[in-house]
Amino acid sequence: NAGVTQTPKFRILKIGQSMTLQCTQDMNHNYMYWYRQDPGMGLKLIYYSVGAGITDKGEVPNGYNVSRSTTEDFPLRLELAAPSQTSVYFCASSDDRDDYGYTFGSGTRLTVV
Amino acid sequence: GNSVTQMEGPVTLSEEAFLTINCTYTATGYPSLFWYVQYPGEGLQLLLKATKADDKGSNKGFEATYRKETTSFHLEKGSVQVSDSAVYFCAQGRGGNKLTFGTGTQLKVEL
Repeated sequence: NAGVTQTPKFRILKIGQSMTLQCTQDMNHNYMYWYRQDPGMGLKLIYYSVGAGITDKGEVPNGYNVSRSTTEDFPLRLELAAPSQTSVYFCASSDDRDDYGYTFGSGTRLTVV
Repeated sequence: GNSVTQMEGPVTLSEEAFLTINCTYTATGYPSLFWYVQYPGEGLQLLLKATKADDKGSNKGFEATYRKETTSFHLEKGSVQVSDSAVYFCAQGRGGNKLTFGTGTQLKVEL
């Protein structure tokens, strides 16, 4: 029972490089989310998806892109990395039950230098 | 719109002290309410939840009661331990809709 799996756990990027943060869930959840968490701060929603083929912007989408070709996978793409994207990124998933809440991945710590 | 307000941290307590972390919410309708805990270097884990008024969620000695009259969901524990040191997030939402999170409250428990 893996839950939500994020890879990689750590990454250092140079300014201007690109990368994809991977997120996979094995619970057949329709809803998936990407958050970033800056030091000492709360969670900010980047993008979310309510099902395969459907994505929408959250609070802080600039500099990021997502796709949702399958129910299981929700990768987050960073194009032209900037120091402001240094953060910890969390993926989460949920179903439509009122009492479920989210299941979170363990996070990806990204540093842009 | 929907929002969650938590008390500012950090909260520093001695071991075995009583803990309260305040959480209030604004919402249309009656959301489900959640407390999540984040230990250092880890993701968020669901601590407890309540789905309707007067429900009490409980887990690992922590409790919170859904108070519709005061739109609150305060987290309490009678006797904290060093191992409870973490960041605690209050959240609201329902039915697969995006959860709205508070900003988090850091708890430090000292011997």
